[in-house]
Amino acid sequence: DAGVTQSPTHLIKTRGQQVTLRCSPKSGHDTVSWYQQALGQGPQFIFQYYEEEERQRGNFPDRFSGHQFPNYSSELNVNALLLGDSALYLCASSSRDLVQETQYFGPGTRLLVL
Amino acid sequence: LAKTTQPISMDSYEGQEVNITCSHNNIATNDYITWYQQFPSQGPRFIIQGYKTKVTNEVASLFIPADRKSSTLSLPRVSLSDTAVYYCLVGGMNTGFQKLVFGTGTRLLVSP
Repeated sequence: DAGVTQSPTHLIKTRGQQVTLRCSPKSGHDTVSWYQQALGQGPQFIFQYYEEEERQRGNFPDRFSGHQFPNYSSELNVNALLLGDSALYLCASSSRDLVQETQYFGPGTRLLVL
Repeated sequence: LAKTTQPISMDSYEGQEVNITCSHNNIATNDYITWYQQFPSQGPRFIIQGYKTKVTNEVASLFIPADRKSSTLSLPRVSLSDTAVYYCLVGGMNTGFQKLVFGTGTRLLVSP
């Protein structure tokens, strides 16, 4: 049973560029959430997708956008990168069919903006 | 979502039992309590989840008193590989679309 997978594992970009991160949820999961984790901090919620729609959003600017595909995989896009966007980006998946909706995390994508 | 309070750090030695307590005074009736473990530059790993009383799995135990305003994660006989950050979170069960609100977690250091 494959867990949550993310690609790429590492990425280096320069200020002003755009980046796309990808996530495949755990088998049987239909909901994908994205988090940003700065060094030394806890993960911060960006947004959540279910049935290909954004259902909840955290306190992140419109430069952060996402998409969910019919196979439940998801992308996180960040435009006009800033130095402060350097972080570990985490994807978590869960199932709306389960009462607890426990979220399981992928390994993350480390983004460095120069 | 209920705010949680945990100790910033804890130290232990190999073979000892470690108990990390989390305070969540404003926990709602439909909130579950979930603990994650995170190693540097890795995603958080689900450890255990519970609603009331005691839950045990192959990794840890979770103790929740009757008022549910706190919970204790118990790690039996820790090893060096248990050195990590541990996060306590509370969240609703099937009440909508759940976002996890992480605090700063507890940094556990296990020494030989």
